[in-house]
Amino acid sequence: ETGVTQTPRHLVMGMTNKKSLKCEQHLGHNAMYWYKQSAKKPLELMFVYSLEERVENNSVPSRFSPECPNSSHLFLHLHTLQPEDSALYLCASSQDRLGGPFTDTQYFGPGTRLTVL
Amino acid sequence: AQKITQTQPGMFVQEKEAVTLDCTYDTSDQSYGLFWYKQPSSGEMIFLIYQGSYDEQNATEGRYSLNFQKARKSANLVISASQLGDSAMYFCAMRETPNFGNEKLTFGTGTRLTIIP
Repeated sequence: ETGVTQTPRHLVMGMTNKKSLKCEQHLGHNAMYWYKQSAKKPLELMFVYSLEERVENNSVPSRFSPECPNSSHLFLHLHTLQPEDSALYLCASSQDRLGGPFTDTQYFGPGTRLTVL
Repeated sequence: AQKITQTQPGMFVQEKEAVTLDCTYDTSDQSYGLFWYKQPSSGEMIFLIYQGSYDEQNATEGRYSLNFQKARKSANLVISASQLGDSAMYFCAMRETPNFGNEKLTFGTGTRLTIIP
C-alpha cells in the first residue's frame, strides 16, 4: 500500500466502549498528526508527533489518548467518549521534523468516521 | 480573528468553465506557506497546490493555479476547464513560522464546489 492508510473507515461505539483508531504511513515521513473534522467547523489539530515524540497536544480531552510506537504508525485510543466527539478523524504525515520548511506538505489518510451513541 | 477565511460556503459551476475559490488569510509573519486541499465525499484530503510567501510567481499545477496577492493577503484557487470530478470540498490552509510545537496547518471552513454537467 502507498500513502497514508487509516482503519477502520467507519466506527460506531457506545459511550462506555474503548476503541482505537489506527494510522499507517508508507511515505517514510518523520511527523504524524491527528485532526478532528466536525460538521461546519475548520479542521482541528489534535496531536502532533515528530520522530515518535509528541510535540503538541492541542488541549484535547484525556478521553483521547494518542500513541506513536514508531514513525510509521500512529494510534488514537478512545474511551468514554461523548456524542459530541462524533466526527471524521483524519491522520496526516509530513516529511520534516520540527522547524522544517514551509513547503513541507502534509498528506492525509481517508479518515475514520466515528459515531458515538 | 480567523486566520483563514473562505467566504463561499458553496458554489455551482458549469462543466468546462473556470472557477475561482476565494481565500484570505491573516498573519503577521513575513514567511509563511499557503496550501489548497481537495476533499471528495470519500473523506480523504488531497493536496493540490502550494504557494510560499516569498515566491515571486504564482504557483501552478496542471489545471490548478493560485492567484496570490500578497498585499491583499489573498490566495485564491483557480481551476481551469472544470470537470465533474472536481466536485468536492476545497480547503485553504496556512503554515506560519515553524517554531517548536507549531508544525500545524490552520484550515479555513471550506467551499463546497459542485460541477453541473
